Amino acid sequence: QQQVKQSPQSLIVQKGGISIINCAYENTAFDYFPWYQQFPGKGPALLIAIRPDVSEKKEGRFTISFNKSAKQFSLHIMDSQPGDSATYFCAASRGNAGNMLTFGGGTRLMVKP
Amino acid sequence: KAGVTQTPRYLIKTRGQQVTLSCSPISGHRSVSWYQQTPGQGLQFLFEYFSETQRNKGNFPGRFSGRQFSNSRSEMNVSTLELGDSALYLCASRSSQGINEQFFGPGTRLTVL
Repeated sequence: QQQVKQSPQSLIVQKGGISIINCAYENTAFDYFPWYQQFPGKGPALLIAIRPDVSEKKEGRFTISFNKSAKQFSLHIMDSQPGDSATYFCAASRGNAGNMLTFGGGTRLMVKP
Repeated sequence: KAGVTQTPRYLIKTRGQQVTLSCSPISGHRSVSWYQQTPGQGLQFLFEYFSETQRNKGNFPGRFSGRQFSNSRSEMNVSTLELGDSALYLCASRSSQGINEQFFGPGTRLTVL
């Protein structure tokens, strides 16, 4: 059972544009929602994370928006750059499950110069 | 601080063999998790170790096992390898300071022929 659904699977954005990736979850016990960035041949790198007690978190060009009632959260990449071209994964975990992250299927982002 | 290190980086085995992968967490991190990444199934949680004890286990057959040593280094073992075990195996470490952030290593690419 896929508990975290991610869309779109792939995304092409022009340099300077906004990249938006969406995730929806089913398990209301989830209380930690990170986003990871993965380049080919590398492990996922933590970008930004949010907890359900806030609706938005911003770090540099990356923003997470969180909608608890809709059980959805999204990643916005402002002023997208070619160096942002990578695969992005949303994930979720619940406090008493320690490290057990449930990942979305991933979004392959390509930023065109 | 040095990041999470995994050895070996690449491995080729044949069906029926067994394999052992190693992970050294970030210095001071006591929690280690393992994930399997495949194109078809995405990123899936295998198991988590904390202070040499398995805390959580994902939905994988008993052929997949792991352990953690007193220095927090971890190994995972896959016995009786199948073609479908070909994947990138990722290790992630987490500080035990009540923070959920997990940091991934570069992974071990296992190919089963």
